[in-house]
Amino acid sequence: EVRLVESGGDLVQPGGSLRLSCAASGFTFSNYAMYWVRQAPGKGLEYVSAISTDGGSTYYADSVKGRFSISRDNSKNTLYLQMGNLRTEDMAVYYCARSLYGGNSDAAGVWGQGTLVTVSS
Amino acid sequence: EIVLTQSPGTLSLSPGERATLSCRASQSVTSSYLAWYQQKPGQAPRLLIYGASSRATGIPDRFNGSGSGTDFTLTISRLEPEDFAVYYCQQYGSSPKSFGQGTKLEIK
Repeated sequence: EVRLVESGGDLVQPGGSLRLSCAASGFTFSNYAMYWVRQAPGKGLEYVSAISTDGGSTYYADSVKGRFSISRDNSKNTLYLQMGNLRTEDMAVYYCARSLYGGNSDAAGVWGQGTLVTVSS
Repeated sequence: EIVLTQSPGTLSLSPGERATLSCRASQSVTSSYLAWYQQKPGQAPRLLIYGASSRATGIPDRFNGSGSGTDFTLTISRLEPEDFAVYYCQQYGSSPKSFGQGTKLEIK
């Protein structure tokens, strides 16, 4: 079974840091580009970050550029999102998603269940 | 950046009826790289349609996507009770891979 399981969400103060993880199973992780998408409470979806199969190419939304860093460890089948200088507007459920067929320009074919990041003092 | 505008914001229909959801892009979507997702409360989104008109694995044939350029449509031919949810379109042909704001499909 293809599966993505996020972890690492927590309550953090403004200005703080957090690292999210996404454990993949049931497919050859190194063959797929991966994404992070977030959803603020009661709001729509926002595309946050993406990484190519080998990690050599990354993308960040303007709203997180310079504060967030995406990475992957293909030997551990795990995707990461290092989040720094967190703001209240970063509070959201963060979803890990897999590209449908592997490429960078691809729909998100598989989604995790999400992990909640709360930013509050 | 391509801005996607979905309409209507809320659609109230009864089971068995036909639903038509619209997604309009501010610029032409590259190679019809347009997807539709369904999201139910408390759940992750689920891919329904990619490439504007291809159904994802396991998606019933009552879900149909169409369109090209800047105008795209998701049609649900005969609504089932489990179809009432929020639907998002997304273009993934150019960065940022933007989402529409969503259409809530509710039971009338």
